Amino acid sequence: QLQLQESGPGLVKPSETLSLTCTVSGDSISSSSFYWGWIRQPPGKGLEWIGSVYYSGITYFNPSLKSRVTISVDTSKNQFSLRLSSVTAADTAVYYCARSWQQLGIYYFDYWGQGTLVTVSS
Amino acid sequence: QTVVTQEPSFSVSPGGTVTVTCGLSSASVSTSYYPSWYQQTPGQAPRTLIYNTKTRSSGVPDRFSGSILGNKAALTITGAQAEDESDYYCVLYMGGGIWVFGGGTKLTVL
Repeated sequence: QLQLQESGPGLVKPSETLSLTCTVSGDSISSSSFYWGWIRQPPGKGLEWIGSVYYSGITYFNPSLKSRVTISVDTSKNQFSLRLSSVTAADTAVYYCARSWQQLGIYYFDYWGQGTLVTVSS
Repeated sequence: QTVVTQEPSFSVSPGGTVTVTCGLSSASVSTSYYPSWYQQTPGQAPRTLIYNTKTRSSGVPDRFSGSILGNKAALTITGAQAEDESDYYCVLYMGGGIWVFGGGTKLTVL
């Protein structure tokens, strides 16, 4: 059974960089059919896709966040990571990592992590 | 900026039928956007219900169904149960690796 687990600081100061890691267990992050993504949800609001990475390092980003986002993959550790720079209170959210199918005519998010709350505050 | 629209809220009686829709601000939703639907209860991660417009994910009851209705994707719950009270999100794949989430629909069963 595939499992994804987010980890990282729960509190980040304004203007600093938010860093999270998603550890994948139960399957190799190098599986060719899948991308690995980050989605966030501000308190009381809806879900927002941040970006995704392929095991080869190919990345795609939400245009509204692209200038501040870096997503990387470490196949040796079966992990992928998110960095969001210059954070403000508006970046306070539960951050989810998820796996997505993106080939062979199948496109959807099939496995999700439990989510981790990141608060931006001084 | 692509906007995916959903009804903010819906109410349904137990045993009733409800259809939640998913539209695009500037185009019609078709199967080419591979619409998928997710259920989320408070404090929990989203759960995949439907993908590729109408394919139910493993373990999802058959009272949940997906379709294209007119120019929108649709999620229909036939015979709603109390445990279906949740938030529902549609997601469209825009191509080029880009995903867009709808704003979500809060479903009340009463």
